[in-house]
Amino acid sequence: GAGVSQTPSNKVTEKGKYVELRCDPISGHTALYWYRQSLGQGPEFLIYFQGTGAADDSGLPNDRFFAVRPEGSVSTLKIQRTERGDSAVYLCASSPGWGTGEAFFGQGTRLTVV
Amino acid sequence: DAKTTQPPSMDCAEGRAANLPCNHSTISGNEYVYWYRQIHSQGPQYIIHGLKNNETNEMASLIITEDRKSSTLILPHATLRDTAVYYCIVDSSYKLIFGSGTRLLVRP
Repeated sequence: GAGVSQTPSNKVTEKGKYVELRCDPISGHTALYWYRQSLGQGPEFLIYFQGTGAADDSGLPNDRFFAVRPEGSVSTLKIQRTERGDSAVYLCASSPGWGTGEAFFGQGTRLTVV
Repeated sequence: DAKTTQPPSMDCAEGRAANLPCNHSTISGNEYVYWYRQIHSQGPQYIIHGLKNNETNEMASLIITEDRKSSTLILPHATLRDTAVYYCIVDSSYKLIFGSGTRLLVRP
């Protein structure tokens, strides 16, 4: 299918390690979002890209988190010096453009920091 | 961002209508009402959205009160596959802010 694809689907890493999570949005979608979801909670906004630029990164919890989208399609969420509290499902979504209403979400990457 | 209030859980019988309420008393004039749902272990799925008028699509109907301070999502004939967490969101821009949602259980 042509939905939002996230890889890996599961990632287990040791505390202190660096991880990268990848998101392939729907082709042609200019807007891309990252969310984080902890057990029993709703998704928490992290960052929003419009094209290549991060239009709003106000949800990134601290400077260990960084995201890029160099060519305006694939995005990578990077987490340095992982902590056990970073364990969550990381969700990516894309939409055709600004404020178009319907965002398409991927299945998420479950990150476990041990 | 305007905040929404939803009951934490509801249930309904299979085949009956499920009516999920949402209060958004501080909504401003340019904010839309969105509904998403999340089935266990999947990403959220868009259902419907509206500004002032009632909306209907193949999945559901959205009824927005005249003062826009509340809305109801209606699943006309709920099935077991509609068991999910339903999120009501108000937004005027790009950023969907999710609350805790309503956990809907459809009973056989």
